[in-house]
Amino acid sequence: SAVISQKPSRDICQRGTSLTIQCQVDSQVTMMFWYRQQPGQSLTLIATANQGSEATYESGFVIDKFPISRPNLTFSTLTVSNMSPEDSSIYLCSVGEGRGNTIYFGEGSWLTVV
Amino acid sequence: EDQVTQSPEALRLQEGESSSLNCSYTVSGLRGLFWYRQDPGKGPEFLFTLYSAGEEKEKERLKATLTKKESFLHITAPKPEDSATYLCAVPGGSQGNLIFGKGTKLSVKP
Repeated sequence: SAVISQKPSRDICQRGTSLTIQCQVDSQVTMMFWYRQQPGQSLTLIATANQGSEATYESGFVIDKFPISRPNLTFSTLTVSNMSPEDSSIYLCSVGEGRGNTIYFGEGSWLTVV
Repeated sequence: EDQVTQSPEALRLQEGESSSLNCSYTVSGLRGLFWYRQDPGKGPEFLFTLYSAGEEKEKERLKATLTKKESFLHITAPKPEDSATYLCAVPGGSQGNLIFGKGTKLSVKP
Protein backbone atom coordinates (compact mmCIF):
# COMPACT_ATOMS: atom_id res chain seq x y z
CA SER A 1 0.00 0.00 0.00
CA ALA A 2 1.03 3.61 -0.52
CA VAL A 3 2.83 5.44 2.27
CA ILE A 4 1.13 8.77 2.93
CA SER A 5 2.84 11.55 4.91
CA GLN A 6 0.98 14.58 6.22
CA LYS A 7 2.33 17.78 7.70
CA PRO A 8 1.72 19.20 10.20
CA SER A 9 0.54 16.34 12.37
CA ARG A 10 -0.88 18.74 14.92
CA ASP A 11 -1.23 22.48 15.32
CA ILE A 12 -2.95 25.11 17.42
CA CYS A 13 -4.16 28.01 15.29
CA GLN A 14 -5.47 31.45 16.03
CA ARG A 15 -8.97 32.41 14.94
CA GLY A 16 -8.96 34.19 11.57
CA THR A 17 -5.69 32.72 10.33
CA SER A 18 -5.12 30.17 7.58
CA LEU A 19 -3.11 26.95 7.61
CA THR A 20 -1.90 24.77 4.77
CA ILE A 21 -1.67 21.00 5.20
CA GLN A 22 0.65 19.03 2.96
CA CYS A 23 0.17 15.46 1.77
CA GLN A 24 3.01 13.52 0.15
CA VAL A 25 2.58 10.00 -1.28
CA ASP A 26 5.49 7.68 -2.02
CA SER A 27 4.05 6.60 -5.37
CA GLN A 28 1.93 8.07 -8.14
CA VAL A 29 -1.77 7.74 -7.44
CA THR A 30 -4.79 8.64 -9.49
CA MET A 31 -7.31 9.24 -6.75
CA MET A 32 -6.56 11.62 -3.89
CA PHE A 33 -9.14 12.86 -1.42
CA TRP A 34 -9.35 15.20 1.56
CA TYR A 35 -11.63 14.26 4.47
CA ARG A 36 -12.56 16.03 7.68
CA GLN A 37 -13.32 14.33 10.97
CA GLN A 38 -14.84 16.56 13.61
CA PRO A 39 -14.54 15.55 17.27
CA GLY A 40 -16.51 12.40 17.99
CA GLN A 41 -17.78 12.20 14.41
CA SER A 42 -17.08 10.01 11.42
CA LEU A 43 -15.30 11.04 8.26
CA THR A 44 -16.79 13.50 5.78
CA LEU A 45 -15.40 14.10 2.31
CA ILE A 46 -14.29 17.67 1.63
CA ALA A 47 -13.14 17.28 -1.96
CA THR A 48 -11.31 15.23 -4.54
CA ALA A 49 -7.94 16.68 -5.48
CA ASN A 50 -7.58 16.52 -9.26
CA GLN A 51 -4.15 16.67 -10.84
CA GLY A 52 -3.87 19.59 -13.21
CA SER A 53 -7.37 20.93 -12.66
CA GLU A 54 -9.59 22.39 -9.99
CA ALA A 55 -10.66 20.21 -7.07
CA THR A 56 -14.19 18.78 -6.97
CA TYR A 57 -15.94 19.82 -3.76
CA GLU A 58 -18.70 18.10 -1.87
CA SER A 59 -21.87 19.96 -0.97
CA GLY A 60 -21.22 22.26 1.95
CA PHE A 61 -17.54 22.83 1.17
CA VAL A 62 -16.30 25.71 -0.99
CA ILE A 63 -13.03 26.58 -2.66
CA ASP A 64 -12.68 29.92 -0.90
CA LYS A 65 -12.68 28.21 2.48
CA PHE A 66 -10.75 25.06 1.53
CA PRO A 67 -8.49 25.77 -1.46
CA ILE A 68 -6.74 22.65 -2.71
CA SER A 69 -3.75 22.21 -4.96
CA ARG A 70 -2.48 19.08 -6.70
CA PRO A 71 0.51 19.90 -8.87
CA ASN A 72 1.42 16.26 -9.59
CA LEU A 73 0.39 12.66 -8.87
CA THR A 74 2.23 12.41 -5.55
CA PHE A 75 1.50 15.70 -3.75
CA SER A 76 -1.45 17.81 -2.64
CA THR A 77 -2.18 20.62 -0.22
CA LEU A 78 -5.34 21.65 1.61
CA THR A 79 -5.63 25.13 3.08
CA VAL A 80 -8.12 25.89 5.81
CA SER A 81 -8.80 29.61 5.47
CA ASN A 82 -10.01 32.19 7.96
CA MET A 83 -10.31 29.58 10.66
CA SER A 84 -12.93 29.55 13.40
CA PRO A 85 -13.29 27.16 16.35
CA GLU A 86 -15.77 25.12 14.26
CA ASP A 87 -12.85 24.17 12.00
CA SER A 88 -11.17 22.29 14.83
CA SER A 89 -10.94 18.79 13.35
CA ILE A 90 -8.67 16.10 12.07
CA TYR A 91 -8.00 16.63 8.37
CA LEU A 92 -7.11 13.48 6.48
CA CYS A 93 -5.46 12.93 3.15
CA SER A 94 -6.36 9.67 1.42
CA VAL A 95 -5.47 7.90 -1.80
CA GLY A 96 -7.11 5.15 -3.80
CA GLU A 97 -5.18 2.31 -5.38
CA GLY A 98 -5.33 -1.35 -6.17
CA ARG A 99 -8.32 -3.62 -6.74
CA GLY A 100 -11.56 -1.83 -6.01
CA ASN A 101 -9.55 1.31 -5.39
CA THR A 102 -8.94 0.57 -1.73
CA ILE A 103 -8.59 3.90 0.02
CA TYR A 104 -5.65 4.42 2.36
CA PHE A 105 -5.26 7.28 4.81
CA GLY A 106 -2.48 9.40 6.12
CA GLU A 107 -1.96 9.90 9.84
CA GLY A 108 -4.05 13.06 9.79
CA SER A 109 -3.51 16.69 10.77
CA TRP A 110 -5.16 17.59 14.06
CA LEU A 111 -6.05 21.28 14.10
CA THR A 112 -7.31 23.15 17.13
CA VAL A 113 -8.55 26.70 16.57
CA VAL A 114 -8.52 29.02 19.57
CA GLU B 1 -29.33 7.59 -0.81
CA ASP B 2 -26.37 5.41 0.09
CA GLN B 3 -26.13 4.81 3.80
CA VAL B 4 -24.00 2.93 6.33
CA THR B 5 -25.13 2.21 9.89
CA GLN B 6 -22.93 0.67 12.54
CA SER B 7 -23.93 -0.89 15.85
CA PRO B 8 -23.34 -0.78 18.69
CA GLU B 9 -21.89 2.71 19.06
CA ALA B 10 -19.71 1.47 21.90
CA LEU B 11 -18.74 -1.96 23.16
CA ARG B 12 -16.89 -2.84 26.33
CA LEU B 13 -15.41 -6.32 26.59
CA GLN B 14 -13.27 -8.19 29.02
CA GLU B 15 -10.05 -9.59 27.63
CA GLY B 16 -10.86 -12.93 25.99
CA GLU B 17 -14.58 -12.18 25.62
CA SER B 18 -15.48 -12.66 21.95
CA SER B 19 -18.11 -10.52 20.24
CA SER B 20 -19.25 -9.05 16.91
CA LEU B 21 -19.69 -5.58 15.45
CA ASN B 22 -22.39 -4.93 12.88
CA CYS B 23 -22.41 -2.79 9.74
CA SER B 24 -25.60 -2.55 7.70
CA TYR B 25 -25.59 -0.77 4.37
CA THR B 26 -27.90 0.53 1.70
CA VAL B 27 -26.25 1.13 -1.66
CA SER B 28 -27.24 0.83 -5.28
CA GLY B 29 -24.77 -1.79 -6.49
CA LEU B 30 -22.19 -2.80 -3.92
CA ARG B 31 -18.64 -2.23 -5.12
CA GLY B 32 -16.96 -3.43 -1.96
CA LEU B 33 -17.31 -3.02 1.77
CA PHE B 34 -14.31 -1.72 3.72
CA TRP B 35 -13.35 -2.10 7.37
CA TYR B 36 -10.87 0.24 9.08
CA ARG B 37 -9.43 0.53 12.55
CA GLN B 38 -8.83 4.01 13.97
CA ASP B 39 -6.82 4.83 17.07
CA PRO B 40 -7.43 8.16 18.84
CA GLY B 41 -5.96 11.14 16.98
CA LYS B 42 -4.77 9.02 14.05
CA GLY B 43 -5.87 8.22 10.52
CA PRO B 44 -7.90 5.06 9.78
CA GLU B 45 -5.87 1.91 9.17
CA PHE B 46 -7.16 -0.36 6.41
CA LEU B 47 -8.19 -3.85 7.56
CA PHE B 48 -10.33 -5.62 4.96
CA THR B 49 -12.30 -5.29 1.76
CA LEU B 50 -15.18 -7.66 1.02
CA TYR B 51 -16.76 -7.78 -2.42
CA SER B 52 -19.49 -10.41 -2.48
CA ALA B 53 -22.01 -12.06 -0.15
CA GLY B 54 -20.53 -15.06 1.60
CA GLU B 55 -16.98 -13.74 1.46
CA GLU B 56 -14.89 -13.89 4.64
CA LYS B 57 -11.48 -12.46 5.51
CA GLU B 58 -9.34 -12.92 8.59
CA LYS B 59 -6.48 -11.08 10.23
CA GLU B 60 -5.21 -12.22 13.60
CA ARG B 61 -8.20 -12.06 15.99
CA LEU B 62 -10.48 -10.34 13.47
CA LYS B 63 -12.77 -11.95 10.92
CA ALA B 64 -15.02 -9.98 8.58
CA THR B 65 -18.04 -11.49 6.86
CA LEU B 66 -20.50 -10.11 4.32
CA THR B 67 -24.14 -10.72 3.44
CA LYS B 68 -26.32 -8.88 0.97
CA LYS B 69 -27.41 -6.36 3.59
CA GLU B 70 -24.75 -6.28 6.28
CA SER B 71 -21.24 -7.11 7.37
CA PHE B 72 -19.96 -8.38 10.69
CA LEU B 73 -16.56 -7.92 12.26
CA HIS B 74 -16.02 -10.82 14.65
CA ILE B 75 -13.42 -10.39 17.35
CA THR B 76 -12.19 -13.61 18.91
CA ALA B 77 -10.53 -13.56 22.35
CA PRO B 78 -9.75 -9.83 22.17
CA LYS B 79 -6.79 -8.22 23.89
CA PRO B 80 -6.50 -4.68 25.28
CA GLU B 81 -4.49 -3.66 22.22
CA ASP B 82 -7.60 -4.31 20.09
CA SER B 83 -9.21 -1.27 21.71
CA ALA B 84 -9.98 1.25 18.96
CA THR B 85 -12.82 2.60 16.87
CA TYR B 86 -13.78 0.30 14.00
CA LEU B 87 -15.18 1.98 10.92
CA CYS B 88 -17.15 0.46 8.08
CA ALA B 89 -17.44 2.14 4.67
CA VAL B 90 -18.77 1.61 1.16
CA PRO B 91 -17.94 3.33 -2.12
CA GLY B 92 -20.95 5.44 -2.89
CA GLY B 93 -20.01 9.03 -3.32
CA SER B 94 -20.25 10.82 -6.62
CA GLN B 95 -16.47 11.13 -6.67
CA GLY B 96 -15.58 7.49 -6.06
CA ASN B 97 -15.09 8.23 -2.41
CA LEU B 98 -16.10 6.14 0.60
CA ILE B 99 -19.19 6.73 2.71
CA PHE B 100 -18.46 5.94 6.36
CA GLY B 101 -20.55 4.74 9.25
CA LYS B 102 -20.16 6.46 12.60
CA GLY B 103 -18.04 3.63 13.94
CA THR B 104 -18.03 1.31 16.94
CA LYS B 105 -15.74 2.26 19.79
CA LEU B 106 -14.34 -0.95 21.26
CA SER B 107 -12.77 -1.05 24.72
CA VAL B 108 -11.13 -4.25 25.93
CA LYS B 109 -10.29 -4.38 29.61
CA PRO B 110 -7.61 -6.67 31.02
